[in-house]
Amino acid sequence: EPEVTQTPSHQVTQMGQEVILRCVPISNHLYFYWYRQILGQKVEFLVSFYNNEISEKSEIFDDQFSVERPDGSNFTLKIRSTKLEDSAMYFCASKRGPDTDTQYFGPGTRLTVL
Amino acid sequence: AQSVTQLGSHVSVSEGALVLLRCNYSSSVPPYLFWYVQYPNQGLQLLLKYTSAATLVKGINGFEAEFKKSETSFHLTKPSAHMSDAAEYFCAVTPSGNTGKLIFGQGTTLQVKP
Repeated sequence: EPEVTQTPSHQVTQMGQEVILRCVPISNHLYFYWYRQILGQKVEFLVSFYNNEISEKSEIFDDQFSVERPDGSNFTLKIRSTKLEDSAMYFCASKRGPDTDTQYFGPGTRLTVL
Repeated sequence: AQSVTQLGSHVSVSEGALVLLRCNYSSSVPPYLFWYVQYPNQGLQLLLKYTSAATLVKGINGFEAEFKKSETSFHLTKPSAHMSDAAEYFCAVTPSGNTGKLIFGQGTTLQVKP
């Protein structure tokens, strides 16, 4: 069964460093998302991406964040200058069509900023 | 703005007992509603979804949920808990016609005692 994959599973970085979190969505999916979950808190929407552009972003998704689909398979989240409060589990998700289609989530990348 | 409230951050039941996890949403129009489950160190897996068809929705692993517009609720139930049901459960909503982002509740940790 196709699945969303994410690498790395755990990333440790120093404050101020850039990190890139990678995701491979399911191959025939057209809508892509990033969410994050700070330890002990709920899952929060960061950004949605469709047709090679951001379709919606949350207040969390400021200028330090960017997303890219550099080729036909990868979907990346970049944090330019990490802060301590960026420490969280980051989930990638994808779905085939609009509205009622199911979003499939990857296993997540745990980002620890020291 | 749309929101989701899950009553009870922790629910504990005995094996074989009824599971009831509560979810209420706020929306001016009926949204699409979802229940996801997260097992330790894994991503989110869809249990079931409501997309304005039948109000009683059956999902995987014996779970079901009933959409009640008058109560703005979408509670998750299972007649008989199994040890393997121990996990965190998230209720989520997505407004119709938008980018499909999911807005999650705070999550409920289900403990199943032998």
